[in-house]
Amino acid sequence: SSELTQDPAVSVALGQTVRITCQGDSLRSYYASWYQQKPGQAPVLVIYGKNNRPSGIPDRFSGSSSGNTASLTITGAQAEDEADYYCNSRDSSGNHLGVFGGGTKLTVL
Amino acid sequence: EVQLVQSGAEVKKPGESLKISCKGSGYSFTSYWIGWVRQMPGKGLEWMGIIYPGDSDTRYSPSFQGQVTISADKSISTAYLQWSSLKASDTAMYYCARHNSGYLGDAFDIWGQGTMVTVSS
Repeated sequence: SSELTQDPAVSVALGQTVRITCQGDSLRSYYASWYQQKPGQAPVLVIYGKNNRPSGIPDRFSGSSSGNTASLTITGAQAEDEADYYCNSRDSSGNHLGVFGGGTKLTVL
Repeated sequence: EVQLVQSGAEVKKPGESLKISCKGSGYSFTSYWIGWVRQMPGKGLEWMGIIYPGDSDTRYSPSFQGQVTISADKSISTAYLQWSSLKASDTAMYYCARHNSGYLGDAFDIWGQGTMVTVSS
């Protein structure tokens, strides 16, 4: 198995840029996907693969990866972006198992 | 519309059994893995396991192996998560999600609305 590590909390001023990171050994082999979860709602996919956004996700969301670290960047954060963000990837076993990061609470000031 | 619709909230006593469901529609149910994700109150997402309804190939996270059973009935496009003997620590929201694997990458692209399971004496 493997673990994905995220900072528990990050804040950003309205309209500024914020990067949320996810670290783990499996990220050297697999891309991360990123999910936004607002209180009382199911998670929503915002980024997957190298840097792909599902239909309906604003282009202020972008993803990148280097070594064992994946990043989600929000360029020009909006009030509605305040949420919990989780990274997810396959683990290193090669058995189609997966793992989530612990989540990052984003506060937009 | 592609969607996953989960069964309703459950309140159970410790030791009871339970089976919750996740019905897919709007896509070929047998062509995508379905995963189950636990979220305990106030906590993060936990990857439980995954099933391929086409042939019922099932994989479990080591943390959940032996604690739950994941199954699917492709004839009715439904996946299941079941417990034989619930514990108070099983109290959580449970989500099913479609796992989409393509050349662009893997992701849970469609999520159910969640099923809240409360286990209390």
